[in-house]
Amino acid sequence: ILNVEQSPQSLHVQEGDSTNFTCSFPSSNFYALHWYRWETAKSPEALFVMTLNGDEKKKGRISATLNTKEGYSYLYIKGSQPEDSATYLCAFPHGSSNTGKLIFGQGTTLQVKP
Amino acid sequence: DAGITQSPRHKVTETGTPVTLRCHQTENHRYMYWYRQDPGHGLRLIHYSYGVKDTDKGEVSDGYSVSRSKTEDFLLTLESATSSQTSVYFCAISRLGTHNNDGYTFGSGTRLTVV
Repeated sequence: ILNVEQSPQSLHVQEGDSTNFTCSFPSSNFYALHWYRWETAKSPEALFVMTLNGDEKKKGRISATLNTKEGYSYLYIKGSQPEDSATYLCAFPHGSSNTGKLIFGQGTTLQVKP
Repeated sequence: DAGITQSPRHKVTETGTPVTLRCHQTENHRYMYWYRQDPGHGLRLIHYSYGVKDTDKGEVSDGYSVSRSKTEDFLLTLESATSSQTSVYFCAISRLGTHNNDGYTFGSGTRLTVV
């Protein structure tokens, strides 16, 4: 069974701190790697979809890098703010057919204290 | 979320009764998915659809069936609800599938309680 692992499971930081977390995925048969942000009582929202080794994507203070050869992606948040508090999910497509089966990691829950 | 709605938002049902959850989209996206969210398990795929009348099983499909008779609607049916199916159910849509630069858009979720 495909395994997508995220670490750490949870993180508590002070406002203004920069932070990062990791998503590990199988390095063989890579197609894409998705990152989502999930705020409490809301639905997950897509942050990035990364498809190329060495890809780096940025959205405001949030950025992500991708290493498909070693099977990991990092998500960075620069100068964390309380509104960044959420669970961050990564997800990996299962199978060669582009039909679905996006397998999600368990997420990293970030709490930013004012 | 804009373009995708789930109904009902909340439902309480009795063990053994059939239940149907509806996902409706106005985006004309080809791909639709049903996930369930449980503590300690994260999001797990139940069934998905890659076109009208084209569906396939996900990782936790036992006890569930789906139908997609038109592009905009994807129905999830619990044939005979059990307490283990108490969960929050999320529908998601995708224009290009998972291999391309196109993330999912999720619905607001349906909280189902089986008593």
